[in-house]
Amino acid sequence: GAGVSQSPSNKVTEKGKDVELRCDPISGHTALYWYRQSLGQGLEFLIYFQGNSAPDKSGLPSDRFSAERTGGSVSTLTIQRTQQEDSAVYLCASSLDGTDTQYFGPGTRLTVL
Amino acid sequence: AQSVTQLDSQVPVFEEAPVELRCNYSSSVSVYLFWYVQYPNQGLQLLLKYLSGSTLVKGINGFEAEFNKSQTSFHLRKPSVHISDTAEYFCAVSDLRDYKLSFGAGTTVTVRA
Repeated sequence: GAGVSQSPSNKVTEKGKDVELRCDPISGHTALYWYRQSLGQGLEFLIYFQGNSAPDKSGLPSDRFSAERTGGSVSTLTIQRTQQEDSAVYLCASSLDGTDTQYFGPGTRLTVL
Repeated sequence: AQSVTQLDSQVPVFEEAPVELRCNYSSSVSVYLFWYVQYPNQGLQLLLKYLSGSTLVKGINGFEAEFNKSQTSFHLRKPSVHISDTAEYFCAVSDLRDYKLSFGAGTTVTVRA
């Protein structure tokens, strides 16, 4: 079946602009995760959605970052007033119920000029 | 909280030679352990995972790993590598409470003919 998809694959933006990154999880997966991969910080957890529970936002680096998940499926990660240090690859993953293996999408490469 | 240390940042190896990638973790609770591979410009793909049971875990593409609780290690091995194994390898750990993955810094494996 189809895997996790993310769009866009690449995004170049100017400092101070807002960006939205999209993730389509595997159909039927109730858990969805966002991670960030950057040269300085490696792979780090950002936010976790599980079913209808309140999301775990403990990894979001600042209040400029937010995410939502509509209808228990598609998720959007929004970064407001982007800064150069936000440049990274943003990875989305989903799992069947939060206890199972996480399957990753190809990522969105964000470049902030 | 957990942490993961990958002891080698770069591992050059000749084709058909064996390879071992070292991973140590620290955690105050029981954990799940994973190895993911990332090929150039792609997302993360699960190689293998340890949840419980046998400490020797076999994964895809001929890889295996051994969980050693006393040494808090989860080293990855392959007896004979191919050029196509050139990639970055990540060790990751999650606990049984929230399943968020904590990643090591990664090991870049370069296979030469």
